[in-house]
Amino acid sequence: GAGVSQSPRYKVAKRGQDVALRCDPISGHVSLFWYQQALGQGPEFLTYFQNEAQLDKSGLPSDRFFAERPEGSVSTLKIQRTQQEDSAVYLCASSQKETQYFGPGTRLLVL
Amino acid sequence: AQKITQTQPGMFVQEKEAVTLDCTYDTSDPSYGLFWYKQPSSGEMIFLIYQGSYDQQNATEGRYSLNFQKARKSANLVISASQLGDSAMYFCAMRPPPSSGGSYIPTFGRGTSLIVHP
Repeated sequence: GAGVSQSPRYKVAKRGQDVALRCDPISGHVSLFWYQQALGQGPEFLTYFQNEAQLDKSGLPSDRFFAERPEGSVSTLKIQRTQQEDSAVYLCASSQKETQYFGPGTRLLVL
Repeated sequence: AQKITQTQPGMFVQEKEAVTLDCTYDTSDPSYGLFWYKQPSSGEMIFLIYQGSYDQQNATEGRYSLNFQKARKSANLVISASQLGDSAMYFCAMRPPPSSGGSYIPTFGRGTSLIVHP
């Protein structure tokens, strides 16, 4: 069966540019999570959806970060006016019960 | 607040031998789940094994087993008969089950890099 997919896999942005990262969860999974993973670190929680409701966005580092999941399936993480410190891998995960299944991630490099 | 500690930044093991990756945790939630993930150089986080805090028996999945010692708050991963393809980063993680009523924000450790050599 299809797993979690993310696009693009790689993104190079100039500082100040807006970017949009897409996540397609496993079909039927209610919960969707976004994480940021810096080089050599574990994933850090950004935000969480249950269906279309964003139940927690406490991990978003600034108001330049925005996430949505309007129809309860596909989710988009948007970063406005990107900064160099935003360079990281952005991971999406979905779950039905306890276990989260991750996508391959989007590697964002801000120059 | 939940906290996961992985004290081994790197581990080396010879092919076909067993290896234990350490994980300790701290939480005030009475009910929680513990996970191990593998992250090869390609970047994808691959789910390996899950242990619920009320499970009586240690979880096993093929060559992976979780040595769960609740009183010591440890959840070590044991990989038996290591293979070259096991070389990767390994992350221990914790989250409460969705029905617990507690915080659902998962917490990951910093990871352990495992290198399997021939």
